[in-house]
Amino acid sequence: AQSVAQPEDQVNVAEGNPLTVKCTYSVSGNPYLFWYVQYPNRGLQFLLKYITGDNLVKGSYGFEAEFNKSQTSFHLKKPSALVSDSALYFCAVREVSSASKIIFGSGTRLSIRP
Amino acid sequence: NAGVTQTPKFRVLKTGQSMTLLCAQDMNHEYMYWYRQDPGMGLRLIHYSVGEGTTAKGEVPDGYNVSRLKKQNFLLGLESAAPSQTSVYFCASSRSTSGANVLTFGAGSRLTVL
Repeated sequence: AQSVAQPEDQVNVAEGNPLTVKCTYSVSGNPYLFWYVQYPNRGLQFLLKYITGDNLVKGSYGFEAEFNKSQTSFHLKKPSALVSDSALYFCAVREVSSASKIIFGSGTRLSIRP
Repeated sequence: NAGVTQTPKFRVLKTGQSMTLLCAQDMNHEYMYWYRQDPGMGLRLIHYSVGEGTTAKGEVPDGYNVSRLKKQNFLLGLESAAPSQTSVYFCASSRSTSGANVLTFGAGSRLTVL
């Protein structure tokens, strides 16, 4: 069965510093990997995805994520954090051979202090 | 273009009552999903559908039923509500492409069961 782990409930970063939100996954085959962001009282919004190819994926709002097959990780990164990046971030995985089931992690709350 | 619309946005039920949450999408998406979001547990897949007239169980299907009579609508029913079903429910939809299918989410429906 596929699963996703986000080991940190909360990440606190000062504005202007780099940020990393961690994600590890487990699938029996090849994965499709996603990051979504949720602002208060809103639905989730797509940030970026990994399908195949380059291990470094660039997405919206200056975010990027690095796929590491040997460590089964897909960490979200940004070189310089903004206060407006404060939100709840979800990692998700879909096994390539699975028609449609997309499983989400438990979420990481990112807090950027001015 | 409304995207994914969920109704109602808020509902309070008494234990044992029944209700239906409606999800409507106007993007001609094949796949539709119902998730519930609980603190510390992220999003958990309840049921999903890969096309009109089809439904399948997700991670936490017990106590819920779904129907996809029309391509644009995906209904989530609670036949006999329980306090454990107090949650925020999110509907999502996606295309049935061969690549990774990015989810478009509704704004959520907050359900409280007393």
